[in-house]
Amino acid sequence: GQQLNQSPQSMFIQEGEDVSMNCTSSSIFNTWLWYKQDPGEGPVLLIALYKAGELTSNGRLTAQFGITRKDSFLNISASIPSDVGIYFCAGYAGNNRKLIWGLGTSLAVNP
Amino acid sequence: EAGVAQSPRYKIIEKRQSVAFWCNPISGHATLYWYQQILGQGPKLLIQFQNNGVVDDSQLPKDRFSAERLKGVDSTLKIQPAKLEDSAVYLCASSTPDRLAKNIQYFGAGTRLSVL
Repeated sequence: GQQLNQSPQSMFIQEGEDVSMNCTSSSIFNTWLWYKQDPGEGPVLLIALYKAGELTSNGRLTAQFGITRKDSFLNISASIPSDVGIYFCAGYAGNNRKLIWGLGTSLAVNP
Repeated sequence: EAGVAQSPRYKIIEKRQSVAFWCNPISGHATLYWYQQILGQGPKLLIQFQNNGVVDDSQLPKDRFSAERLKGVDSTLKIQPAKLEDSAVYLCASSTPDRLAKNIQYFGAGTRLSVL
């Protein structure tokens, strides 16, 4: 099935650093979602984007819906140890009502 | 507001045995999803219900997996018989299609299945 290209696959950073990850698709998407999954838990929604060019923040997190509607990025500023986890992008393409997922970005933060 | 409830949290079985998972969605959410998440991968949709009807079960291995949502609220997912490759986390999610909620899916904590 269709899958989103998410990068990087993993990141290991120092506490306080900023983080950036992105997601691309060959198809046009009308919704982009960013989820975080902690070990042993289900994904939790961080940010939802619905319009091309939309820039949305949630605390230290900022995400943007790409102008081409084929990409999105997520930035985390001033990372802290509790940011550790796997970040997934997901989205709806066209009239397709099935949520398409990336493979995730694993983030490790060194205190 | 209570979230999506799943049980059990963990299950260990031997291959060829049967297992069942239970999910109670967020109150009022008409759409319920079962996902399989293998370690290192994103969730894979197994089946989607709208109320008590199946919307999409194209990726459900129907020879061994079954799911039901008889009263349009809680749901069970069954595997019979289990294979080693069924070891995964089984996630349940729910959503509501109303305009404000925009079909955002909310997930339970999942059931981690180990098949030995």
